[in-house]
Amino acid sequence: NAGVTQTPKFQVLKTGQSMTLQCAQDMNHNSMYWYRQDPGMGLRLIYYSASEGTTDKGEVPNGYNVSRLNKREFSLRLESAAPSQTSVYFCASSDVGRSNQPQHFGDGTRLSIL
Amino acid sequence: EDKVVQSPLSLVVHEGDTVTLNCSYEVTNFRSLLWYKQEKKAPTFLFMLTSSGIEKKSGRLSSILDKKELSSILNITATQTGDSAIYLCAVERNNDMRFGAGTRLTVKP
Repeated sequence: NAGVTQTPKFQVLKTGQSMTLQCAQDMNHNSMYWYRQDPGMGLRLIYYSASEGTTDKGEVPNGYNVSRLNKREFSLRLESAAPSQTSVYFCASSDVGRSNQPQHFGDGTRLSIL
Repeated sequence: EDKVVQSPLSLVVHEGDTVTLNCSYEVTNFRSLLWYKQEKKAPTFLFMLTSSGIEKKSGRLSSILDKKELSSILNITATQTGDSAIYLCAVERNNDMRFGAGTRLTVKP
């Protein structure tokens, strides 16, 4: 059972380059999330999608766009990468509205911007 | 502004010790509080707490929520080196979750 799959696992970009991080889940979850994790700051929500066809801003959305391609896939795009976006990015999914259903996380994408 | 605060930020103990990790929160539209363990990669789910005063246990780990004090604790008894990790507290709101900065636990042999 794959759960939440993120690609790529590692990426190095130059300032100004664009990049799309991919996320797919096979648990038939309605909701999907993108977080970034920086040292000493825990996970911060970038964008989320409560259901197919909807997306909403989280705590730190500036510099990012998302697409909920279908129920399984939720991508995160950096249009013009900046060094401040160097971070580890996690995708997660859950079934909001069902009791006792935590978010399940992918293994993360380590992104470095030079 | 909503916030989740964990303490201590880091902790070093020896095998066999008992540790208590703390999480306090101020959020609107509280739904539940969750604890995750993060080793090298993805956070893995430990507990979800929705009711005050009811302890949840899994082996040597236990957790309880105090809605009056807006806090939760995670206890680990008889610690092992495999317990070394970052422990994350998160509060679920209506549509998203707010995470604390985490507690880095190091268990020495």
